[in-house]
Amino acid sequence: EDKVVQSPLSLVVHEGDTVTLNCSYEVTNFRSLLWYKQEKKAPTFLFMLTSSGIEKKSGRLSSILDKKELFSILNITATQTGDSAVYLCAVALDSGAGSYQLTFGKGTKLSVIP
Amino acid sequence: KAGVTQTPRYLIKTRGQQVTLSCSPISGHRSVSWYQQTPGQGLQFLFEYFSETQRNKGNFPGRFSGRQFSNSRSEMNVSTLELGDSALYLCASSPGWGGVGFNEQFFGPGTRLTVL
Repeated sequence: EDKVVQSPLSLVVHEGDTVTLNCSYEVTNFRSLLWYKQEKKAPTFLFMLTSSGIEKKSGRLSSILDKKELFSILNITATQTGDSAVYLCAVALDSGAGSYQLTFGKGTKLSVIP
Repeated sequence: KAGVTQTPRYLIKTRGQQVTLSCSPISGHRSVSWYQQTPGQGLQFLFEYFSETQRNKGNFPGRFSGRQFSNSRSEMNVSTLELGDSALYLCASSPGWGGVGFNEQFFGPGTRLTVL
């Protein structure tokens, strides 16, 4: 059975701290790994990773994938209260015929205290 | 470019009833996927439609069904509602065709279904 596990499940930090969120996976037909941020509404896309060792960066956020060890991390530096959200990791599985589906982890709830 | 829209945003039904949810993808996108989100199970894949055909289906009972129209709008239907069907139902659109890697999915705001 395909499995995506995120840790920790929740995290409370102070503004300015740096956090690392973890995502490990055991799946068949891996195609890519994605990170989403979910506040009180729809998940918003952060990163898509397909190759090992290539860091993706967007402002204070960065992410990297290790396809040998089957995990990814999402780093957030100099956290702000606006970073408070649930961060979701999803693995895209190739279902054949051009189709794919996302298998999600349970998410990490990040709370940033002023 | 307008985002993914879902209607209705909130819905209250009673056990045994049926419900239809609607999703309009981003203009030009041909793939629509549906997900169920609950506190206990997280986000789970329901099915994906592309060019009016169901391409992929998750592990949900036959009470959950869907369809896609020629304009790429999609509907999902849940019959004989159960209390456990209470959830946020999210729809996501993507261009739908292949290429190196993967096309990101853009999510709609969701429909919050409460079954009493």
